[in-house]
Amino acid sequence: AQSVTQPDIHITVSEGASLELRCNYSYGATPYLFWYVQSPGQGLQLLLKYFSGDTLVQGIKGFEAEFKRSQSSFNLRKPSVHWSDAAEYFCAVGVYSSASKIIFGSGTRLSIRP
Amino acid sequence: GAVVSQHPSRVICKSGTSVKIECRSLDFQATTMFWYRQFPKQSLMLMATSNEGSKATYEQGVEKDKFLINHASLTLSTLTVTSAHPEDSSFYICSARGPGTSGGRYEQYFGPGTRLTVT
Repeated sequence: AQSVTQPDIHITVSEGASLELRCNYSYGATPYLFWYVQSPGQGLQLLLKYFSGDTLVQGIKGFEAEFKRSQSSFNLRKPSVHWSDAAEYFCAVGVYSSASKIIFGSGTRLSIRP
Repeated sequence: GAVVSQHPSRVICKSGTSVKIECRSLDFQATTMFWYRQFPKQSLMLMATSNEGSKATYEQGVEKDKFLINHASLTLSTLTVTSAHPEDSSFYICSARGPGTSGGRYEQYFGPGTRLTVT
């Protein structure tokens, strides 16, 4: 069955420091991978997605993610975080059957230290 | 483009009553919509897949008779929580399958969510 694992429940980084959020997936075919961000009480915003092609994907707000098939990973990175990046981050895998549903990881809460 | 709206954004209802949540695709047609539930500090869990003109497909463990889904048009799906109880209090998020970008695939576009509180 398809699944997504985000091993870090909560991460705190200093403003200006680099960030890496981990994501591992389980899927039998080529996955469709996503990273979403959710601010408190808000809906989801798509940061970036991977469908095919270049394994290093650029997203909005300075985020990028790298798809590594050998490691079944899709880690999210940002070279320098801003206080406004504090939020919940969800990695997800798209199950592109006829229904195209998305399976979400458990999320990583990012806090920024001034 | 590809905007999904939900109404209401917040709703409070009394235990035992029913409440309807609307999900609309504003600028595209969506033959498929999805309903998710998110408990506080938890991830999104898919409840059901809603297909226009046919019955919804529910995920395992989701009560069909409690969470009624109607996808009557290509731009509207509704979720009705019947006989609501406090444990149904949650954040309900819908999404719609719409036109893809940079790759040609379909993509899901998420609504802003509806906060349901059952007292």
